[in-house]
Amino acid sequence: DVKVTQSSRYLVKRTGEKVFLECVQDMDHENMFWYRQDPGLGLRLIYFSYDVKMKEKGDIPEGYSVSREKKERFSLILESASTNQTSMYLCATLQGAFQPQHFGDGTRLSIL
Amino acid sequence: DAKTTQPPSMDCAEGRAANLPCNHSTISGNEYVYWYRQIHSQGPQYIIHGLKNNETNEMASLIITEDRKSSTLILPHATLRDTAVYYCIVKGYSGAGSYQLTFGKGTKLSVIP
Repeated sequence: DVKVTQSSRYLVKRTGEKVFLECVQDMDHENMFWYRQDPGLGLRLIYFSYDVKMKEKGDIPEGYSVSREKKERFSLILESASTNQTSMYLCATLQGAFQPQHFGDGTRLSIL
Repeated sequence: DAKTTQPPSMDCAEGRAANLPCNHSTISGNEYVYWYRQIHSQGPQYIIHGLKNNETNEMASLIITEDRKSSTLILPHATLRDTAVYYCIVKGYSGAGSYQLTFGKGTKLSVIP
């Protein structure tokens, strides 16, 4: 079974802080994704990576950056957290086209 | 990716089969049908996917009509833990930039004791 582990289930941070969300997978998948999920807005892609050190912007990259130094780890960074970044953050992995994406349990992030 | 239509909610008695429908009348030949579910406050869980043949795994069965314009997810013996929002997604691929998933509103399945 694919296992996608996100570092925290719940996180509370203050406005202006730099926030790191970590995601680790154990299945050697090439592709990794960061989404955020908000009520009424569905799933929105922030960034994805199709290889080590490679990254591509998704639909809403503003205010975020990512890092993929090793194949199994994909980090999402909020450079200076703001209240509108309060959300559920989901990491996912994908082996390749036509395969399913596998998600972590999510991090519910609150910015105060 | 083709648009999907699902009923907003359904009830199912515990122990009975839950049949969740999905319409995807504009599906293209190379697009797959995927089903996920999301239990409150957890990440989406992959259930099953298929192209045109019926599929079965340890969680569910997927029945796709011959014209591929609709499908049904079957949970053979629903339990209270199957209460969740179920998402039907139709997805094709045209390179790495097309990998992102989009969830619609899904069907909220309530399993009743």
